[in-house]
Amino acid sequence: EAQVTQNPRYLITVTGKKLTVTCSQNMNHEYMSWYRQDPGLGLRQIYYSMNVEVTDKGDVPEGYKVSRKEKRNFPLILESPSPNQTSLYFCASSLVFRDRGTGTDTQYFGPGTRLTVL
Amino acid sequence: AQTVTQSQPEMSVQEAETVTLSCTYDTSESDYYLFWYKQPPSRQMILVIRQEAYKQQNATENRFSVNFQKAAKSFSLKISDSQLGDAAMYFCAYRRPFGNEKLTFGTGTRLTIIP
Repeated sequence: EAQVTQNPRYLITVTGKKLTVTCSQNMNHEYMSWYRQDPGLGLRQIYYSMNVEVTDKGDVPEGYKVSRKEKRNFPLILESPSPNQTSLYFCASSLVFRDRGTGTDTQYFGPGTRLTVL
Repeated sequence: AQTVTQSQPEMSVQEAETVTLSCTYDTSESDYYLFWYKQPPSRQMILVIRQEAYKQQNATENRFSVNFQKAAKSFSLKISDSQLGDAAMYFCAYRRPFGNEKLTFGTGTRLTIIP
């Protein structure tokens, strides 16, 4: 089954304790992205990757790191989490856009990770 | 930068009736893609419908259809024969087909279905 998986689904941690949220896709997608969802703000992009070893900042990258060593995996790293990083996090993936009508415009989302930083 | 605006934080509709959710966006680009995503209580982001800006014909998926007005930069979602399972948060999103192909989301509309 084609899917994007995230782990863990729920995490409660304390300020300053490093954590990693994993993301994996089995669709051979080049493009992967992390978003955070906060009430009243919709989803905002944190980081993205166009392919292996190619990553760049999104709109709200402060306090986060990512890596893309394999095509299928795109982990999100919080080296020193703070309470303002309490949020719902989504990983998404897609093919890099090829051409009109090819269906390469659609992103597929993981189930989300609810993170609470105390 | 692109922006997406959903001006209706909450909407409600009687079961079996029709409801329209509004979305406007701002862009200087001529080629782009628009989406409606549904987020039920499970929090999963589910694609409802997509529209290619170069196509004049409005997209339709079963009970879901859009009214795409490119000149007005408007992209509304119509849900016909509303069902209890349609209750969710609905997000409008914009994506350009080059560079950082991120989705730019609106703030969402919470839809309640009244039995």
